[in-house]
Amino acid sequence: SQKIEQNSEALNIQEGKTATLTCNYTNYSPAYLQWYRQDPGRGPVFLLLIRENEKEKRKERLKVTFDTTLKQSLFHITASQPADSATYLCALDIANQGGKLIFGQGTELSVKP
Amino acid sequence: DAGVTQSPTHLIKTRGQQVTLRCSPKSGHDTVSWYQQALGQGPQFIFQYYEEEERQRGNFPDRFSGHQFPNYSSELNVNALLLGDSALYLCASSWDWGSDTQYFGPGTRLTVL
Repeated sequence: SQKIEQNSEALNIQEGKTATLTCNYTNYSPAYLQWYRQDPGRGPVFLLLIRENEKEKRKERLKVTFDTTLKQSLFHITASQPADSATYLCALDIANQGGKLIFGQGTELSVKP
Repeated sequence: DAGVTQSPTHLIKTRGQQVTLRCSPKSGHDTVSWYQQALGQGPQFIFQYYEEEERQRGNFPDRFSGHQFPNYSSELNVNALLLGDSALYLCASSWDWGSDTQYFGPGTRLTVL
């Protein structure tokens, strides 16, 4: 069956450290993978997109890697800040599915000062 | 530039009732997708509208229906409400069918009693 899984447990880290979140999937062939941030009671906010032919992408303190052989994406936040505390969602866009996003369940990140 | 807007913010209904949720896409966007997000879960794709037609549909029963208007705004209708329909309903817009980035609204919190 098709599955997309993120770290089920909340991630607690100290301010200034690097947070690493994992997204694994099975039986999908995504054209690209996206990461979103979601604050409580709010809609997801787009952060980064990485395509199947890209290995790594960066934006400011954010870095995403995509390994289509391992079927895994890693999302890194360097020099983390308490304001980075939120739930982070990964989403797959399956090729030729017209923009239908398949989301993981999300990982809650808490950055302590 | 107004982002995606949704109304109402919160809604309480009883089992068996019908509900209509509304969404106005981001300026310049012509594609609207609807997602259901249960507490602690990632968003689940309901359907997508482009040029006033339903282009993609997720695994939701026919009780869930929608509409897109000529100005690209959209409605989500749910008939015969069940307790399990309680969730955050998210609308996302993009500029083209198959576009890689979707912009989410704040959502409508539906509670079914």
